[in-house]
Amino acid sequence: QSVLTQPPSVSAAPGQKVTVSCSGNNSNIGKNSVSWYQQFPGTAPKLIIFDNDKRPSASPDRFSGSKSGTSATLGITGLQAGDEADYYCGTWDHSLSSWVFGGGTKLTVL
Amino acid sequence: HVQLQESGPGLVEPSQTLSLTCSISGGSFANSDYYWSWIRQSPGKGLEWIAYIHFTGPTSYNPSLESRLDISLDTPKRRFSLQLTSLTVADTAVYYCAGLGSSYSYAFDVWGRGTSVTVSS
Repeated sequence: QSVLTQPPSVSAAPGQKVTVSCSGNNSNIGKNSVSWYQQFPGTAPKLIIFDNDKRPSASPDRFSGSKSGTSATLGITGLQAGDEADYYCGTWDHSLSSWVFGGGTKLTVL
Repeated sequence: HVQLQESGPGLVEPSQTLSLTCSISGGSFANSDYYWSWIRQSPGKGLEWIAYIHFTGPTSYNPSLESRLDISLDTPKRRFSLQLTSLTVADTAVYYCAGLGSSYSYAFDVWGRGTSVTVSS
């Protein structure tokens, strides 16, 4: 059971928009910034969103992030087949004194 | 441009100690901008943070693993290491080294490719 809660899977058609939720509490998301990672099978995760809503220069602007209270959301617009991957949220948890991740969400582009 | 490369034994017997090393190339190892970390992923599972170390000395460990962990750094050799004792099959995973970078509000902005570790007799 992960400290941060994500849906196991989401899906949408090419060109559509999808969102991935990440729910925590006042010890983690409520206190710290959230980052998001994209992972393709057999490869290392890659940072796509940091500080809740900022994109590294290599991350396409189709990816966006937001945070409200103890929840965060990753948004992907203009879905492409190449976006099929697992997505993880992560942040620091003050109560646990530990970095924590969500359980991951598998994105399927229909 | 910082790059990370893990090295490890591949196969370890239960109850033994796992030793992993992460070599850093590019950029500056003694870089106050990074907390050097280990993260693992069990087969078919999610990401689990293990520990981090800063080149000035501060360390932090996952409380669920802390009693079995030791993280250290070797500045002259530009690498940091992890030791995990009393291994069980539950420690079978891909182990990644990664950097928490200040330029990215201390998100994991740089990752190694990972090294697979199997605990089996």
